[in-house]
Amino acid sequence: DQQVKQNSPSLSVQEGRISILNCDYTNSMFDYFLWYKKYPAEGPTFLISISSIKDKNEDGRFTVFLNKSAKHLSLHIVPSQPGDSAVYFCASIIQGAQKLVFGQGTRLTINP
Amino acid sequence: GAGVSQSPSNKVTEKGKDVELRCDPISGHTALYWYRQRLGQGLEFLIYFQGNSAPDKSGLPSDRFSAERTGESVSTLTIQRTQQEDSAVYLCASSPSVHTIYGYTFGSGTRLTVV
Repeated sequence: DQQVKQNSPSLSVQEGRISILNCDYTNSMFDYFLWYKKYPAEGPTFLISISSIKDKNEDGRFTVFLNKSAKHLSLHIVPSQPGDSAVYFCASIIQGAQKLVFGQGTRLTINP
Repeated sequence: GAGVSQSPSNKVTEKGKDVELRCDPISGHTALYWYRQRLGQGLEFLIYFQGNSAPDKSGLPSDRFSAERTGESVSTLTIQRTQQEDSAVYLCASSPSVHTIYGYTFGSGTRLTVV
């Protein structure tokens, strides 16, 4: 049972434009959401997170939006840069459960 | 150490052999996790250690998989009688337990190929 889903395996965006990565979840008990970024041959690195009590969190070029009624979150990157090319994973957790549940990942390619 | 260290970085083994993967977490991190990523798939939870508590083994796919951790230090993941479907990148992560919501720190992984 895939509780966290990233339905787009890949996304290609032109440099300078906005990249939007989407994630859906099924477990309404999730109360914290995170995005990780992964380069080839490296482990995933934490990017940005959002609590379920918020609907938006911004950190520089990265903004995460949460729509609890739709059980949907998205990561916006603007402007996109070539160094943003990576695989992005969304993850969710029930606080106190101590175990992140990850989506399948979306490979983002930023074209010059 | 400064980060999570995993060894070996790559391992090719013959079907039916046993393999042992090692993870050195960040010093002081009480929680340690093993995940794996098979080709084209997401990160799949395997097992979680928290201090001296009983590990959460709910993600181990079969009894061929086992893991140990001594105290709050090194962990080893052992796969017995490897099968081709065990081929994956095995990722270890650690976190200062009470701050899990801020995310884990992952190692670079061990790429296991069973031939």
